[in-house]
Amino acid sequence: NAGVTQTPKFRILKIGQSMTLQCAQDMNHNYMYWYRQDPGMGLKLIYYSVGAGITDKGEVPNGYNVSRSTTEDFPLRLELAAPSQTSVYFCASSQDPKGYNEQFFGPGTRLTVL
Amino acid sequence: AQSVSQHNHHVILSEAASLELGCNYSYGGTVNLFWYVQYPGQHLQLLLKYFSGDPLVKGIKGFEAEFIKSKFSFNLRKPSVQWSDTAEYFCAVNEANTGNQFYFGTGTSLTVIP
Repeated sequence: NAGVTQTPKFRILKIGQSMTLQCAQDMNHNYMYWYRQDPGMGLKLIYYSVGAGITDKGEVPNGYNVSRSTTEDFPLRLELAAPSQTSVYFCASSQDPKGYNEQFFGPGTRLTVL
Repeated sequence: AQSVSQHNHHVILSEAASLELGCNYSYGGTVNLFWYVQYPGQHLQLLLKYFSGDPLVKGIKGFEAEFIKSKFSFNLRKPSVQWSDTAEYFCAVNEANTGNQFYFGTGTSLTVIP
């Protein structure tokens, strides 16, 4: 199993550009999450999904959109990139957080907006 | 929403010193507890987890953590650190049986001096 994969690893955007961060998992997990990590701030939840077709906002959703058309994929969309979105983005998945299951993380995407 | 506090933001130790990192959470109900480690340039990996039973949990690489319900704490310990333990450590909490989300602390950066 590849686990959780993310592409791209690095990206530089200009202000106002848009892009999609890809995330895929091959563990048949129902729950998927997007976090951003800023220095000294820990992980902040952007969006999460409890299954295909179902998404919900996390703590910092503004400026982002998600979709979940399949169990495997959970892309994160930035429509109008802003410098405040410079961060490292991590995707994670979990079988069922209500049960005895932890999260598995992808390798991250480092995004710089100039 | 939950809050998770990690009071030690940056810890510097010499090799062979003992380590204890604090973690406190705010939720009064039943919780699942996790410690993750992030080595430089890598993604988060699970160190250990607590769901129920013995409050002293042993994880990988000689780490252990103790759940003290009365103190809402889940402190991470290691008797003798190594240079390779240099990393960022995150505590995370999930509301057992009800929570879709995981809540992370802001992290503790550990530097071990050879």
